Amino acid sequence: GAVVSQHPSRVICKSGTSVKIECRSLDFQATTMFWYRQFPKQSLMLMATSNEGSKATYEQGVEKDKFLINHASLTLSTLTVTSAHPEDSSFYICSAYYQPGLAGGPSDEQYFGPGTRLTVT
Amino acid sequence: AQTVTQSQPEMSVQEAETVTLSCTYDTSESDYYLFWYKQPPSRQMILVIRQEAYKQQNATENRFSVNFQKAAKSFSLKISDSQLGDAAMYFCAYRSAGGGGSEKLVFGKGTKLTVNP
Repeated sequence: GAVVSQHPSRVICKSGTSVKIECRSLDFQATTMFWYRQFPKQSLMLMATSNEGSKATYEQGVEKDKFLINHASLTLSTLTVTSAHPEDSSFYICSAYYQPGLAGGPSDEQYFGPGTRLTVT
Repeated sequence: AQTVTQSQPEMSVQEAETVTLSCTYDTSESDYYLFWYKQPPSRQMILVIRQEAYKQQNATENRFSVNFQKAAKSFSLKISDSQLGDAAMYFCAYRSAGGGGSEKLVFGKGTKLTVNP
């Protein structure tokens, strides 16, 4: 249990285009999802926190108009990189949190997706 | 704001030996959680071990154990009987306890562990 998927796993897009990354909790309802960015050989940097049905909370320095986050359901959050540029090339990871108390769910943890490698040419 | 420091960018260990990865953190909170995550070359984040700050007993998970020193704000990870599959980046992370898992994780910069056969 507690599986989080991301799609696509890899994407290459041209500069100026937009790309959408999906994060799904496959076997539990995620009340909160997190989006991270990871540059090569570096740590995870939190970009934003999204709660189902409400606007995402962005970390300082993250452009909310560039990185659009939608958390429309308890199992799906999307990150859209708008007007992507080469400097947006990175590894994007989502995690999903299950709230204890909901029947049939996993423990009080964040569960990570496998990540999406974005390359902007 | 909370910070997590991992002072060892790289560590190496011989297979079957023991290695300890260091982590210190800074917080003014009294209730929180600490984690060690493993990120192998696949880049999938894997939870290794978790420690609740209110628990005095150090957490253990098979070959993995922690030395949690709350007063010193230290949280080291000991890997016993190291295996080739333990080779990975290891991240120490902090999470406030107030909002449960909806609180964000604060990560250290990571330690790259190499296991030599």
